[in-house]
Amino acid sequence: GENVEQHPSTLSVQEGDSAVIKCTYSDSASNYFPWYKQELGKRPQLIIDIRSNVGEKKDQRIAVTLNKTAKHFSLHITETQPEDSAVYFCAASKDDMRFGAGTRLTVKP
Amino acid sequence: DAGVIQSPRHEVTEMGQEVTLRCKPISGHNSLFWYRQTMMRGLELLIYFNNNVPIDDSGMPEDRFSAKMPNASFSTLKIQPSEPRDSAVYFCASSHSGQLVEQYFGPGTRLTVT
Repeated sequence: GENVEQHPSTLSVQEGDSAVIKCTYSDSASNYFPWYKQELGKRPQLIIDIRSNVGEKKDQRIAVTLNKTAKHFSLHITETQPEDSAVYFCAASKDDMRFGAGTRLTVKP
Repeated sequence: DAGVIQSPRHEVTEMGQEVTLRCKPISGHNSLFWYRQTMMRGLELLIYFNNNVPIDDSGMPEDRFSAKMPNASFSTLKIQPSEPRDSAVYFCASSHSGQLVEQYFGPGTRLTVT
């Protein structure tokens, strides 16, 4: 089955800086790559997703890039704000969705 | 839309007792997922239903766990007998169709087994 690795496990940035979270996957047939944000004590919520026929997708301050050859994808958050502080999960799916272990992002004001 | 509804929100039970978690997916969604979240193991997919039929239960940890979806608007996850290592937050999620679209998570059930 699919195996997803996510790095770093924790990330601390200053407000206004950029944050980058990286994930690798093992199954080259995976074709859907969502990113979920989970605030403390809350449910995971989708923030952006990308499919294998697209290399990059952007939505305001967040963007995701996908390198199918290398089997890795990344989340980029620019101009970070304290409310971006949360745990972020990447996932990869063909028939079987697998989540990364999560990255705890802290944005210091 | 009320979103995915889970009950109870919190459950505290003693080891050996039966636990039943309940989920009502978003109306019109035909895929339903049960996840378990712990600090040690992260977010794990336990079982996935499509059109009320279990498609993939490879994540169910052992025979003590069972899940049913008797109709399109209701699913249960049962643990019998429960053990302390089952303590976790259990999320139910639903989607329009399958795993290649956004999944909408419920608020979760925090289970504590003493």
